[in-house]
Amino acid sequence: QKEVEQNSGPLSVPEGAIASLNCTYSDRGSQSFFWYRQYSGKSPELIMFIYSNGDKEDGRFTAQLNKASQYVSLLIRDSQPSDSATYLCAVPNSGYALNFGKGTSLLVTP
Amino acid sequence: DTGVSQNPRHKITKRGQNVTFRCDPISEHNRLYWYRQTLGQGPEFLTYFQNEAQLEKSRLLSDRFSAERPKGSFSTLEIQRTEQGDSAMYLCASSLVDRRNSPLHFGNGTRLTVT
Repeated sequence: QKEVEQNSGPLSVPEGAIASLNCTYSDRGSQSFFWYRQYSGKSPELIMFIYSNGDKEDGRFTAQLNKASQYVSLLIRDSQPSDSATYLCAVPNSGYALNFGKGTSLLVTP
Repeated sequence: DTGVSQNPRHKITKRGQNVTFRCDPISEHNRLYWYRQTLGQGPEFLTYFQNEAQLEKSRLLSDRFSAERPKGSFSTLEIQRTEQGDSAMYLCASSLVDRRNSPLHFGNGTRLTVT
């Protein structure tokens, strides 16, 4: 079982700040990593995926992967109240499904 | 693209009853997944299909749970002899088979309450 660990939070940041969300994984052989956002009462939606060491940027979002240390991070620049949600980290299991972490709750305060 | 559709949105049942949920994936997606999510937890993988073949089941999946995808299109998830611990949000997702990193697109889920 490929485990994914996340701090459940809540992580509180002021509007306009950088929010940093972290995820560690157990299987050193994991190749790709996904970040999903889930608003309360809604289903998860994909934000980004990353499979190479280093950074991947998409708008205000940056995913950072460090395979040597087995962690992946999601940075949200210029955080907005609308970013308040639970952020889920996921890795593929031995097949084609994803194993999800418990998620980190983010609260962006005006 | 109408997205992944799940029915019903909510289901309340008494302990011991059987329930069935339906999922209609995005039309061109040939992979279909079932997940379960409880409050404060991430989605927990249950099973997945590629076309009509059920290729993987979670070891945690009770034998009271069964899923089908008879024609490779919609899927049903049945829970027999429901227990209060089955209360959760049941999420369906679909994806394309052409690449491993194909993202999962989730439906809005079916919320099951067992009384």
